[in-house]
Amino acid sequence: AQRVTQPEKLLSVFKGAPVELKCNYSYSGSPELFWYVQYSRQRLQLLLRHISRESIKGFTADLNKGETSFHLKKPFAQEEDSAMYYCALLTGANNLFFGTGTRLTVIP
Amino acid sequence: NAGVTQTPKFRVLKTGQSMTLLCAQDMNHEYMYWYRQDPGMGLRLIHYSVGEGTTAKGEVPDGYNVSRLKKQNFLLGLESAAPSQTSVYFCASSIQGIGTDTQYFGPGTRLTVL
Repeated sequence: AQRVTQPEKLLSVFKGAPVELKCNYSYSGSPELFWYVQYSRQRLQLLLRHISRESIKGFTADLNKGETSFHLKKPFAQEEDSAMYYCALLTGANNLFFGTGTRLTVIP
Repeated sequence: NAGVTQTPKFRVLKTGQSMTLLCAQDMNHEYMYWYRQDPGMGLRLIHYSVGEGTTAKGEVPDGYNVSRLKKQNFLLGLESAAPSQTSVYFCASSIQGIGTDTQYFGPGTRLTVL
């Protein structure tokens, strides 16, 4: 069965420090992974997807099939990065399987 | 352009009551989705639709029915509400499937079943 694990419910970092939000997955098929973000009082929105291999708002994520991980990284955290982050795995044609989320707080 | 809207925002039901949640989008999207999010959990797909007149089951469809009579609307029905259906319900839409297109989410509906 598929599984998405985000081991940290809460993560606090100081402004300017590097940040890494962890995501591990378990899936028998070919994985397609996403990071979604929900800022305070805003709707859930797509941050990035691994197939795009792009950097959004300074965030990057690399799919590591050997370690079954898709960690989200940013070299220098900003206060506006404070939000709830969800890792998600696409299973089947349209079923997104979400992790439980990590709340990131960037301390000024 | 309102994007994805959900009606109502909040609702309290008694066990056994029925209700319908409405999702509307004005972006001419083909695909629409209903998710539920329980406290401390990730979103789970209930049902989805790949176009007007079509619906399909997601991961947790039991106890729910859906209809997509108009392209812009996706209705989620609870025929006989149970406390286990207490959750926050999110609707989303996309031009095409998730593999190729971005999903746009609604603000959510908080449902409590007593």
